[in-house]
Amino acid sequence: DTEVTQTPKHLVMGMTNKKSLKCEQHMGHRAMYWYKQKAKKPPELMFVYSYEKLSINESVPSRFSPECPNSSLLNLHLHALQPEDSALYLCASSQGLAGGYETQYFGPGTRLLVL
Amino acid sequence: GNSVTQMEGPVTLSEEAFLTINCTYTATGYPSLFWYVQYPGEGLQLLLKATKADDKGSNKGFEATYRKETTSFHLEKGSVQVSDSAVYFCALSEPSGFGNEKLTFGTGTRLTIIP
Repeated sequence: DTEVTQTPKHLVMGMTNKKSLKCEQHMGHRAMYWYKQKAKKPPELMFVYSYEKLSINESVPSRFSPECPNSSLLNLHLHALQPEDSALYLCASSQGLAGGYETQYFGPGTRLLVL
Repeated sequence: GNSVTQMEGPVTLSEEAFLTINCTYTATGYPSLFWYVQYPGEGLQLLLKATKADDKGSNKGFEATYRKETTSFHLEKGSVQVSDSAVYFCALSEPSGFGNEKLTFGTGTRLTIIP
């Protein structure tokens, strides 16, 4: 089973709202990723968690706040977003083996619209 | 740094035609190579992968061979179907030593198959 689940599928929020995106995997993977994808573009890496610790932050604005409460869950907390943050947000996971050749498995994404 | 170059789209083919989508890469070390497919309104699905030179990845009738001498990983399918209509992303990753690898994506190629 190579399933990564994400909720919600769609989210509409105002610029003053606070919301959270959730991602879950039960493959025993220890690396989890958040990507942002704008229309007709490839995904852009935002954050990487390795063994529940933030290991990569690609200079993402502080209005995006990631959290990894345990090895199966990854959250992305959203606050005071801008309309240009509207995008498809993708979660991915991989085994997290040091020195290994990792394969990332993606979830279906959350389509976010900021009004 | 690493980079991936894909042929420009969109590509439109008739059903049962032969498909080639070109992908070349630049990497400092020995990357793994991937093809991901994104169907309309969905997340990315791993289509196939190869981890070393001369490896051939294959899945659902698609194939790609890791060619180190030409730094290429071209995607091919002998007879396409309407259901193959999607955006195809070539990508590479290099082992980080920490189990959390960055994927470098190409720009994506939109494929449309007409009956």
